[in-house]
This record gives sequence, structure tokens and C-alpha cells, in this order.
Amino acid sequence: QVQLVQSGAEVKKPGASVKVSCKASGYIFSGSYIHWVRQAPGQGLEWMGWINPNSGDTNYAQKFQDWVTMTRDTSISTAYMELSRLGSDDTAVYYCARGQLFFDYWGQGTLVTVSS
Amino acid sequence: QSALTQPASVSGSPGQSITISCTGTSSDVGGHNYVSWYRQYPGKAPKLMIYDVTKRPSGVSNRFFGSKSGNTASLTISGLQAEDEADYYCSSYTSGSTSRVFGGGTKLTVL
Repeated sequence: QVQLVQSGAEVKKPGASVKVSCKASGYIFSGSYIHWVRQAPGQGLEWMGWINPNSGDTNYAQKFQDWVTMTRDTSISTAYMELSRLGSDDTAVYYCARGQLFFDYWGQGTLVTVSS
Repeated sequence: QSALTQPASVSGSPGQSITISCTGTSSDVGGHNYVSWYRQYPGKAPKLMIYDVTKRPSGVSNRFFGSKSGNTASLTISGLQAEDEADYYCSSYTSGSTSRVFGGGTKLTVL
């Protein structure tokens, strides 16, 4: 069965970076885009961007263009999302999700807490 | 790119039907048939309920129905059950730079 398993919770200081992983199984990793979506406490879903695991091409939401980097390692079927220059408003649950025009499978989420 | 507009909350009694709207623009909802809907329980990851405006993934109840008119998409849930109480989000492909956009979410309360 399709599974996306994300790395564990992180606590970071303001100004630091965080890298979240998303390991895929149960399907051909290179065959579907991986998107990253975040959800601040008590807030809605916010789309951050996608990576095409086959080509490595990325497309970031304009808001995140200068401080998010999405990569992948096809040898271990894992996608990564790195966010730099963290601020307190980056405290959120970060999800990876599979799909192109819709998101049919989601990771369990990774809580990133930014606190001094 | 602004989020799609959803009502903050809707409610209904068991057995009734409710509809959640999702309003966008001609660059997203109105310009493509790529609207999807997600259900999210507290503390859980979202789950796909409707894709391509009207299609249901395997395993999703036929009580869930998606539609679209102009720049507004809708999710109708019939025969409300207690388990339907959750947050619901719409999403659309957008030809703008954002590429994908979500609605602000709607909290469904089953009275």
C-alpha cells in the first residue's frame, strides 16, 4: 500500500533552518509529484510547492520562493523540504502529499516548532 | 495568490444534507476542472474526498458529491452522520504562479 512516512518533530531557534524528510513506499517514487503543505496551529492548509521526483524540477509558491528548497533522493525514495531563516510564524505541521492535480496520499505530518 | 473562499462553519442535523461552497476566480476554480476536496479530523492528516470536481476516490461514500458552477465549487454531503464532523478544505489548480491553492477551510458540525 502507498505510504508516506515523515521525519519526527523538530524544535528550532529563530534564524535556523529545518529539513523535513518524506519517505515513500508502495508505488514508483519517480511516477508522482510530491507536494509540501503546511498548517499553522489552528489555521488552514497552505500549499508550499512541489518537486517532480523524476526530473528534480520544482515549483514553489511565490511566498516561499526565496527560502524553501525541495530535493529528492531517488535511491531511497525520499523527498526533502528545507526551510531557512525560520521565524516564529513558521511554527506549523508540515505535510508531504503525493499527486499532481490533487493529493491522494499524505504523510502523517511533522511538527516544527520555532522558539527561542 | 489569495486562498479560495469557504464559509468558516456549517452545521446540520443527522440525516440532513449540507453544502460547502468554495469560491475562486477564473484563474483557478473557474478556469479548470481540477478542484479537489479534503476532510481533516483534529490532529490528523487530510484525506482526499473528491477530485476533478466530481470524482470520488475508491472507498469514499457516495454521500459525498462535488459540483461546480462558474468560479464556485461545492461539496454536498447527504445523510449527515456524526463521523462527518470535521474540517473540510477545497483546493484547485491555478494558472497563476502559485500553481495550487487551498480554501480557508470549513468546520462542519453535526448537531
